Amino acid sequence: DTGVSQDPRHKITKRGQNVTFRCDPISEHNRLYWYRQTLGQGPEFLTYFQNEAQLEKSRLLSDRFSAERPKGSFSTLEIQRTEQGDSAMYLCASSPVGLGANVLTFGAGSRLTVL
Amino acid sequence: DQQVKQNSPSLSVQEGRISILNCDYTNSMFDYFLWYKKYPAEGPTFLISISSIKDKNEDGRFTVFLNKSAKHLSLHIVPSQPGDSAVYFCAASPALYNFNKFYFGSGTKLNVKP
Repeated sequence: DTGVSQDPRHKITKRGQNVTFRCDPISEHNRLYWYRQTLGQGPEFLTYFQNEAQLEKSRLLSDRFSAERPKGSFSTLEIQRTEQGDSAMYLCASSPVGLGANVLTFGAGSRLTVL
Repeated sequence: DQQVKQNSPSLSVQEGRISILNCDYTNSMFDYFLWYKKYPAEGPTFLISISSIKDKNEDGRFTVFLNKSAKHLSLHIVPSQPGDSAVYFCAASPALYNFNKFYFGSGTKLNVKP
């Protein structure tokens, strides 16, 4: 297993464009998380899936953001009509249910730059 | 509303000496705490954790101390090595959730000088 994979690693886009990030979690992990990290800050929780069900969304996740995990495996995070304030590192993490559930394994992140 | 605070943005120590990284939290509902280490261009990696029923947890050179009354935890690295140079994040999770809704501090950049 190669850990949590995120793609693309870096995306530069113009304001108003849509972007999509993909996350492939560790295969046996049921839980998948998206966090966002801005410069000089720690990661902030965005949303959480258990299998294909999205069970929690942060108030930070405006209606321009949508996340899916259609088959309970990979997940996508789409940002519509990007704004400069969306520029950040988007981190995906996964964890199992049960033993080890309290530790998140993070991917390397997808850095978004909105011009 | 920063519920987890790391007030020292950076720390520099000499190789072989002790590194002490501090973290304060405000939410008394937090019952599980972790430290993550982050190298440039990589995601955070788990280092060590502690639950609120303990006041100390040790793993090799790394020890985490929890003072619930002061809402404070610290990470001790002894002896510090140049490879420990990284950004360290403290994270906390509240008891009321059954999933890992972690609140992270803003990080402390540790530099261990050879």
